Amino acid sequence: DQQVKQNSPSLSVQEGRISILNCDYTNSMFDYFLWYKKYPAEGPTFLISISSIKDKNEDGRFTVFLNKSAKHLSLHIVPSQPGDSAVYFCAASANAGKSTFGDGTTLTVKP
Amino acid sequence: NAGVTQTPKFRILKIGQSMTLQCAQDMNHNYMYWYRQDPGMGLKLIYYSVGAGITDKGEVPNGYNVSRSTTEDFPLRLELAAPSQTSVYFCASRGHQGFTEAFFGQGTRLTVV
Repeated sequence: DQQVKQNSPSLSVQEGRISILNCDYTNSMFDYFLWYKKYPAEGPTFLISISSIKDKNEDGRFTVFLNKSAKHLSLHIVPSQPGDSAVYFCAASANAGKSTFGDGTTLTVKP
Repeated sequence: NAGVTQTPKFRILKIGQSMTLQCAQDMNHNYMYWYRQDPGMGLKLIYYSVGAGITDKGEVPNGYNVSRSTTEDFPLRLELAAPSQTSVYFCASRGHQGFTEAFFGQGTRLTVV
C-alpha cells in the first residue's frame, strides 16, 4: 500500500498564476514532510519542508500547507515561472528518519 | 564542494553480469541512501546506512548489496543483473537524523539487456 500519494501525475499552469501541487499520506506516524524538485537528467533537489508541529511554512514564492487531520499537504507556487517546470516529489518521514516518496507531479508552466 | 558524486552516469549490462555503482559524498554526512526510480514512479529505497559499518535494507533490497567502510563512500553492488533492475539509481546523503533534507547525486541510468 502506497503511504504517500500524489494523485495528479501532471499539472499545467500559465506563467504568473498559482500552481498547487497536492500530496496525501496514510501513515499517522509521519512527522516531517518535504518537497523535492527534479529536472530531467538531474537528481532531486530539496525545495521546502514542514514539520508536523506547524501547518504552514513559507519560503519566497513557495508555501507548503499541512492539514494533519486530513493527512494532506500542498505546495503553492506563486507566481509560477517557466523555470519552475519540473517534476515535484512529496516525501514524508517518521521520527524524522528515512523518507518515503510519492510518484511525483510533472508541472509545466507555460509562458 | 562536490556534494554527492555518482559514477558511472550511464551503463548497459547484459543479463547475469555484475557491477558496482559508486557513490561518494564530501559533506561528512553520516546518513546515506540508495534509491531507484522506475519510469513514472517515485523513488524506492534500496538500502541505507546510518554510519560507517552500519547498513540496513530498505523497501526493495533484493538483488543488491551494499557496504559502508568509510563515511564518504557507499557503493551499491548488483549481482547477476536482471532486466527488472533497469532503472535510474540515485544516491543521497543527510547530515543527521532529524528535520533535515537529503542531498542527491545526479543519478546512474542502468539498462540491463
